Amino acid sequence: LAKTTQPISMDSYEGQEVNITCSHNNIATNDYITWYQQFPSQGPRFIIQGYKTKVTNEVASLFIPADRKSSTLSLPRVSLSDTAVYYCLVGVRSGAGSYQLTFGKGTKLSVIP
Amino acid sequence: DADVTQTPRNRITKTGKRIMLECSQTKGHDRMYWYRQDPGLGLRLIYYSFDVKDINKGEISDGYSVSRQAQAKFSLSLESAIPNQTALYFCATSESLAAPSNEQFFGPGTRLTVL
Repeated sequence: LAKTTQPISMDSYEGQEVNITCSHNNIATNDYITWYQQFPSQGPRFIIQGYKTKVTNEVASLFIPADRKSSTLSLPRVSLSDTAVYYCLVGVRSGAGSYQLTFGKGTKLSVIP
Repeated sequence: DADVTQTPRNRITKTGKRIMLECSQTKGHDRMYWYRQDPGLGLRLIYYSFDVKDINKGEISDGYSVSRQAQAKFSLSLESAIPNQTALYFCATSESLAAPSNEQFFGPGTRLTVL
């Protein structure tokens, strides 16, 4: 079963770049890496997804090394509204026609004024 | 209107009671999922369904059952609730794409307390 590991918490000042790394050393060759953001009392919300190298959208970048055993979510110039819990999600095939989705335990990001 | 809805939003029940949590979606997605969230443990997959005739166990299915009544509805049941099933439960949906980890859309959650 895939295991994902990420830091429990991080602090950052407003305007700084924040990088959160997730380790997923059992990811299968055909799976994507997805990151979600969650605010208190809400369901998680999709941020970004990638398979390899670098992906960028309007809110974040995702860096994936060649071995795909880890990934780094990069949030440029964070603001107070980026205070949330960030999760990585990896899917791993566990048999014919089935797979296990495994979330990391989440990284609580606190942005300081 | 919300695309993924869950009922009830909050429920307090007693040990041994049968509980059903319901999820409905208007996104037209084939795939639906049930997760539970506990402090410090993140989200863990209970069951998932790729279409109406497909049900699969997730990481922590013991003590739970599901029913996919229609494309838009996916229910989670606790046949005999126990206190360690106290948690926040989320339903999610996604499109049917080749990749297992495509974007999921989550409901607002159901907070269940078992006394």
